[in-house]
Amino acid sequence: DVKVTQSSRYLVKRTGEKVFLECVQDMDHENMFWYRQDPGLGLRLIYFSYDVKMKEKGDIPEGYSVSREKKERFSLILESASTNQTSMYLCASGRPGQLSGNTIYFGEGSWLTVV
Amino acid sequence: SQQGEEDPQALSIQEGENATMNCSYKTSINNLQWYRQNSGRGLVHLILIRSNEREKHSGRLRVTLDTSKKSSSLLITASRAADTASYFCATDTGRRALTFGSGTRLQVQP
Repeated sequence: DVKVTQSSRYLVKRTGEKVFLECVQDMDHENMFWYRQDPGLGLRLIYFSYDVKMKEKGDIPEGYSVSREKKERFSLILESASTNQTSMYLCASGRPGQLSGNTIYFGEGSWLTVV
Repeated sequence: SQQGEEDPQALSIQEGENATMNCSYKTSINNLQWYRQNSGRGLVHLILIRSNEREKHSGRLRVTLDTSKKSSSLLITASRAADTASYFCATDTGRRALTFGSGTRLQVQP
């Protein structure tokens, strides 16, 4: 079974703090993703990575950065947390290509509250 | 803007009934996928249908795809209380990442 592990399930941070959300996958997947989920807005793509040290902006990258130093680990960084970044963050991984159909596997999510 | 939009936003049915949810999208796709999310948890992949397929079955799930109308439907037959969840469609447009809709919340009353 694919396992995608998000290190923190619930976090409460103060405005202006630097926040790290960590994600690890155990299936040697090339692709990793960070999505944000808000009520009524569905899932929105923040960043994704298709290889070590490679990254691409998604639909809502402002206020976020990412790091992928090892294939199995993809970190989301909030440089200076703001209250409008209070949300559920979902990490996912997958193998690219037609055979997989770009199917992805999600972690359990990290609930971040910025106060 | 969302590539996929689910309809209805919320659906409440009795156990044993069928549940149908729809997804419309805007651009051409390689495939369309359906995912399920239990409350407060991550999403789980249910089924994938490729652009050259019209219908696919998996257990109690039936998915149809009409590329001329840019729409798909997910049918869950003989629903159970355990099917209560949110269901999302996601489109693979050849971009590296899937694009998700805003989901349908399904409540199955015992």
